[in-house]
Amino acid sequence: GENVEQHPSTLSVQEGDSAVIKCTYSDSASNYFPWYKQELGKRPQLIIDIRSNVGEKKDQRIAVTLNKTAKHFSLHITETQPEDSAVYFCAASGTDSWGKLQFGAGTQVVVTP
Amino acid sequence: DTEVTQTPKHLVMGMTNKKSLKCEQHMGHRAMYWYKQKAKKPPELMFVYSYEKLSINESVPSRFSPECPNSSLLNLHLHALQPEDSALYLCASSLSRTGSGNTIYFGEGSWLTVV
Repeated sequence: GENVEQHPSTLSVQEGDSAVIKCTYSDSASNYFPWYKQELGKRPQLIIDIRSNVGEKKDQRIAVTLNKTAKHFSLHITETQPEDSAVYFCAASGTDSWGKLQFGAGTQVVVTP
Repeated sequence: DTEVTQTPKHLVMGMTNKKSLKCEQHMGHRAMYWYKQKAKKPPELMFVYSYEKLSINESVPSRFSPECPNSSLLNLHLHALQPEDSALYLCASSLSRTGSGNTIYFGEGSWLTVV
């Protein structure tokens, strides 16, 4: 089955700096890669996703890149703000995974003013 | 509207109790999910329903019993739980199975404490 590794487990950044979280996946058949943000006590919320036919996707301060050859994808947050503080999860699934979204272990991001 | 509604938000139950968690969505989604999340961990898949039929059971103990009465509703019946079952239970839905690349939307979750 799919295995997703996520690094780092914690990330502290100064407000205004950029943050990068990296994930690798094992199953070359995976073709859908969402990123979720989970604030303390809240639900995971989708912030951006990418499909395997695209190499990069941006949405305002957030971008995701995908390298299918190396089987890794990354989340980039620019101009970080205190409200970006949360746990971020990457995930992967494939056409033959029958609804199984495999999550990474999560990254605790702390943005200090 | 991307809303998945879960009730109750908080539940405390004894190990001999029987209770149910409820989930509802009105987005026309045909795949619905139950996930379990422990503190500081990612969500773990428990069950997947596709077109009201159980597609995946991730070897979940029988003290958890899912039910999908119709395409908008998903229940999780709880009986004889253990303290280690205390967790956040997340319901989710997507247009179809995630294998089709469809976005999964999570509900706010039900915080379960077993005493």
